[in-house]
Amino acid sequence: AQKVTQAQTEISVVEKEDVTLDCVYETRDTTYYLFWYKQPPSGELVFLIRRNSFDEQNEISGRYSWNFQKSTSSFNFTITASQVVDSAVYFCALYFTGGGNKLTFGTGTQLKVEL
Amino acid sequence: NAGVTQTPKFQVLKTGQSMTLQCAQDMNHNSMYWYRQDPGMGLRLIYYSASEGTTDKGEVPNGYNVSRLNKREFSLRLESAAPSQTSVYFCASSDGRISGNTIYFGEGSWLTVV
Repeated sequence: AQKVTQAQTEISVVEKEDVTLDCVYETRDTTYYLFWYKQPPSGELVFLIRRNSFDEQNEISGRYSWNFQKSTSSFNFTITASQVVDSAVYFCALYFTGGGNKLTFGTGTQLKVEL
Repeated sequence: NAGVTQTPKFQVLKTGQSMTLQCAQDMNHNSMYWYRQDPGMGLRLIYYSASEGTTDKGEVPNGYNVSRLNKREFSLRLESAAPSQTSVYFCASSDGRISGNTIYFGEGSWLTVV
């Protein structure tokens, strides 16, 4: 079965703190993609990153960084020096082709960044 | 720069009424999806269409029907709306290729069934 677990339901930090959002996934496929999406209060889903299963290289993009570890089936997302505008719900998702090209989402982590 | 367009954005229905959510994409994508989002449950797949002419059930298909009208359009129909179908609905599309896949989402449709 394909599954994505985001154990952190809600995280609150003070602006400028670093914060890591956890994502653990389950799949039997050898070829799959992992995604992170951001959903601000306005409701739209904003694509942040896609990582394929053959590329475990960590990635940094500005204040965002991602740590992909196949050994622990984790794809964690870190925001450095958080800002109020980072307040949103963040979703981790797994895309696999074995089941008909479907994207399976975690339940999301609500991040609140306060002044 | 339309991407994925959903209509309507907001709708209130009475229990038992029917309605269709429309979705269109202009990216020539093969695959299209309908998700619903409920508090604390993330997004759950209702139906998807891997390619034109095919549709398959997702995780929560009961109470819904879909039509892949052509490559661009994928509609979701509620035949007899129930309060449990109050949710935010997202349409999405992707090219379906392993090498180039990225999923694009519409802006969401807020549906309330009273």
